Amino acid sequence: TQLLEQSPQFLSIQEGENLTVYCNSSSVFSSLQWYRQEPGEGPVLLVTVVTGGEVKKLKRLTFQFGDARKDSSLHITAAQPGDTGLYLCAGGWIAGGTSYGKLTFGQGTILTVHP
Amino acid sequence: EPEVTQTPSHQVTQMGQEVILRCVPISNHLYFYWYRQILGQKVEFLVSFYNNEISEKSEIFDDQFSVERPDGSNFTLKIRSTKLEDSAMYFCASRPGLAKYEQYFGPGTRLTVT
Repeated sequence: TQLLEQSPQFLSIQEGENLTVYCNSSSVFSSLQWYRQEPGEGPVLLVTVVTGGEVKKLKRLTFQFGDARKDSSLHITAAQPGDTGLYLCAGGWIAGGTSYGKLTFGQGTILTVHP
Repeated sequence: EPEVTQTPSHQVTQMGQEVILRCVPISNHLYFYWYRQILGQKVEFLVSFYNNEISEKSEIFDDQFSVERPDGSNFTLKIRSTKLEDSAMYFCASRPGLAKYEQYFGPGTRLTVT
């Protein structure tokens, strides 16, 4: 069973501060995806990382996939109130004939950015 | 931009009744998934579907559940005899193809079993 541990579970910061959310597993994943989810809505894809050590940037958000493809981080620079929300990491596994990309989700990080 | 759609947005049913949740995946995507999220818990994988058959399913996906792609656009999840513990948000997702890892989720159907 593949598990993803996401930390911290809650994060409350002031506007302008930087933050990092971590996603860790003992399992190797084919891909690691980050989503943002609003209450009562579906997860919205932010980014997918596939290669060990890969770094992707989306405006003030920086995503990194660990070298061994077991962990990932999301770093937000100069957080804004609009960044407030639930952030989810999800590991995907594709193995020929045995796994077809099912995602294993972390428990999420609830981020609150105060003006 | 193409998106996954789901209907209904909210379904209330009595215990023991059958429900069908509907999804229209993104056109030209090849892999389809159902996930569920019980209130306050993680999103959990239920089943994946490829080439008109189930490719993988979780322990949650027992004989009470079935999936179908009756035509070229719809993808349905049927729960034959609902239980109280089936109350959750159900999300459909689709993925473009073998070399593409991104999964795009629909807005979800909130199922309430009374």
